[in-house]
Amino acid sequence: DTAVSQTPKYLVTQMGNDKSIKCEQNLGHDTMYWYKQDSKKFLKIMFSYNNKELIINETVPNRFSPKSPDKAHLNLHINSLELGDSAVYFCASSQTGSTDTQYFGPGTRLTVL
Amino acid sequence: SQQGEEDPQALSIQEGENATMNCSYKTSINNLQWYRQNSGRGLVHLILIRSNEREKHSGRLRVTLDTSKKSSSLLITASRAADTASYFCATDSGGSNYKLTFGKGTLLTVNP
Repeated sequence: DTAVSQTPKYLVTQMGNDKSIKCEQNLGHDTMYWYKQDSKKFLKIMFSYNNKELIINETVPNRFSPKSPDKAHLNLHINSLELGDSAVYFCASSQTGSTDTQYFGPGTRLTVL
Repeated sequence: SQQGEEDPQALSIQEGENATMNCSYKTSINNLQWYRQNSGRGLVHLILIRSNEREKHSGRLRVTLDTSKKSSSLLITASRAADTASYFCATDSGGSNYKLTFGKGTLLTVNP
């Protein structure tokens, strides 16, 4: 069974469009995260949610809006896509919001043309 | 801001050899973790070492931590072609707004 899943795996879109990436975890974890990995493989946290509540927002532009309908899901909506948004986006989860192993999804490669 | 810096950026070895990767960080940490990322995949947790620990083993992995030098090393013994991947260290400072800060990673290539 897939522990952390993301859809879609690939997303190609035009500048200015709005798109969403979905994430689901079936591990029963309380905390979920979104990371962005750039072309140089640098991985940076964007958001974390604990039990549907926003905990961390790492100065991400407000074009990015995470939504957590329940603690098993954390979706990422991006408005007015820009070229610089092209990256691989990873969802992750952990048991709690403290020192815990994080389990990562397979990633969504977003390409903005 | 970036916390961990892995060294070297890329490492190429032959199967059976040992691989050592280093990670340096800037501020005090609570724990340090190592993750592996195969090409086109998500990260997989390998090992966690707490700030009061100096060495930890897991199978063919050995991690050391020197908090006085703000550095850690990951040793993979008897490497296999399947160990080919990028390896990242990640640190956390504890606290209520817990987050992991990742380094840039070391790309390890194990040649058969």
